[in-house]
Amino acid sequence: AQSVAQPEDQVNVAEGNPLTVKCTYSVSGNPYLFWYVQYPNRGLQFLLKYITGDNLVKGSYGFEAEFNKSQTSFHLKKPSALVSDSALYFCAVRDPDSGTASKLTFGTGTRLQVTL
Amino acid sequence: GAGVSQSPSNKVTEKGKDVELRCDPISGHTALYWYRQSLGQGLEFLIYFQGNSAPDKSGLPSDRFSAERTGGSVSTLTIQRTQQEDSAVYLCASTADSRYEQYFGPGTRLTVT
Repeated sequence: AQSVAQPEDQVNVAEGNPLTVKCTYSVSGNPYLFWYVQYPNRGLQFLLKYITGDNLVKGSYGFEAEFNKSQTSFHLKKPSALVSDSALYFCAVRDPDSGTASKLTFGTGTRLQVTL
Repeated sequence: GAGVSQSPSNKVTEKGKDVELRCDPISGHTALYWYRQSLGQGLEFLIYFQGNSAPDKSGLPSDRFSAERTGGSVSTLTIQRTQQEDSAVYLCASTADSRYEQYFGPGTRLTVT
């Protein structure tokens, strides 16, 4: 079965500093990995994905993530945080070999708080 | 273009009543998903449609939950005899290619009193 772990419930960072939101995964095959962001009372917004190819993927709003197969990780990063980045971030995985169609399995979410 | 829309945005119902939640996917998207987001359980997959058929219903929590999709477009999630534990935000998502990213609607917040 596929699973995702987000070990931090909350990450606090000062505006202008780099941020990292951690994600590790478990799948039987090669993973498809996604990051989503959720602002208060809103649905999930797609940020970026890793399917294949370059391990460093770039997404919306200056976010990027690095796929590390040996560490089974897909950490979300941004070089310089903004107060407006404060939101709930979800990592998700799909195992294309699992035979369970295309459902996404989500982590429990990490709340990012960026302060001035 | 228009994104995924869901209605109603909020629904308060009494325990034991039936509710219907509606999802309008992005035009042309053949795959449609329902998820549930609750405080205790995080984001849970409920059901997946490819066209009008549902190859994966593995996440439906009980036989009180059902869903259908007609015309390869609109989907309705029905919860019969609602219970307090059904209170959650129900999210719908769609995608043109089931291999890749899903686009989510704003959700329906269901409160069972």
